[in-house]
Parts: sequence; structure tokens; C-alpha cells
Amino acid sequence: ETGVTQSPTHLIKTRGQQVTLRCSSQSGHNTVSWYQQALGQGPQFIFQYYREEENGRGNFPPRFSGLQFPNYSSELNVNALELDDSALYLCASSQFREGQETQYFGPGTRLLVL
Amino acid sequence: GEDVEQSLFLSVREGDSSVINCTYTDSSSTYLYWYKQEPGAGLQLLTYIFSNMDMKQDQRLTVLLNKKDKHLSLRIADTQTGDSAIYFCAESMGYGGSQGNLIFGKGTKLSVKP
Repeated sequence: ETGVTQSPTHLIKTRGQQVTLRCSSQSGHNTVSWYQQALGQGPQFIFQYYREEENGRGNFPPRFSGLQFPNYSSELNVNALELDDSALYLCASSQFREGQETQYFGPGTRLLVL
Repeated sequence: GEDVEQSLFLSVREGDSSVINCTYTDSSSTYLYWYKQEPGAGLQLLTYIFSNMDMKQDQRLTVLLNKKDKHLSLRIADTQTGDSAIYFCAESMGYGGSQGNLIFGKGTKLSVKP
């Protein structure tokens, strides 16, 4: 167990709707990253937050947005859902320490867009 | 561009060694990682290697890095049925010790036959 939790575990939405996914970081971690994993693919980096600020972004459109809170928990928001947004969404928390940082992943939220 | 390639499938018999191979393209990657994903679960960090190392051993796991050929391998000794999973190779696009965003391969599905 990594100590990273995500909610909900599963979600079904329809095209055009909006969704919010949540992540609680491992205790002491101040950085959170979000990844999208389509079926049969490796995870793709969406963005990273460090101390409540976006700290890097992958090749995802602006309708993918995020927040990090003072307690370092995080949300991923997706607007105007498309069918191709169906995927497993993973968050990973990390702490930069002694010159090295390692990301620990939560179990993911499986999103199905109909 | 950034790309990580892995073979998609590997089948071994219980007790044999498994070798999962990976090639990457970005020579500036400072860290390379192996993650394990069991069905319906998130990613579990198995091990990582600094780019200035050739080999790292951790119990049944041995990681070999050929930086000249940009080739990374994971050897699992005495493979057990519980090792059946998808194994992802990932390179880090961060700087210094920061992991930044991870670039993942598509994963190698390891099947272990009794």
C-alpha cells in the first residue's frame, strides 16, 4: 500500500458532462502528478502540482484542469467529456528528499464516458 | 521525441528467470524505473536505477542499463505465479533528483505458467 487514495473508484458519465476526480497524497508528500491510462496503453502524463501551483503539463487540452489544496490533496477536473476520455486516471504523490524524488501511485479511478 | 518501447508479451514457466527489455530515446534521462501493475490496480514501484549506474540488484530483481544503446532490462529470478502482471518501463523527464513527468512504455504482460 502506498498511502495514496483516490475517489471514486469507478465512474460513468455521458459525453459533454464534467467530472471531478480526487486524490489524497501520502503523508508528507507535497507534489502530486496525474496520469491518464487508456486501455492497453502506458500512463500518459497530464500535469503535476507542487505546493498548489502547476509545475508541468503534458499534451492535454485546457479542458483538463487541476487543483492542489493546502493539505496537498488534489483534484482533476475534466470538462466537456469526450468518448476518448474513457480511461484509468492515476494520481501519484511524491516528496523531493535527499536529492531524489519517487512517485507513488494510487489505485486509480476508472472513468467510462458513454 | 520521447519514446519508450517494450515488447508486449512474455511467457515463462514458474521457477525460471524472466527478462523484460525496454529501449528509450532520451539520453538526458537521469532515472529509469520499473513499475508493476496487477489487473484492476494502480502502479507499484519495483525499482529504479540512476543513469550513471550499469546494474542494480534488489532481492530477486536485477536491473541492467546500457546507456550507450539506451537499453534497460529487468530480470526476475525464480519467477512465481504471483509475478504475473504488466511491467512498465519509464524514463524520468525531471532535472537533478526531481522525477518530473514519467514517460512510460506500453507495458510487457508477463504470464507465469505453473
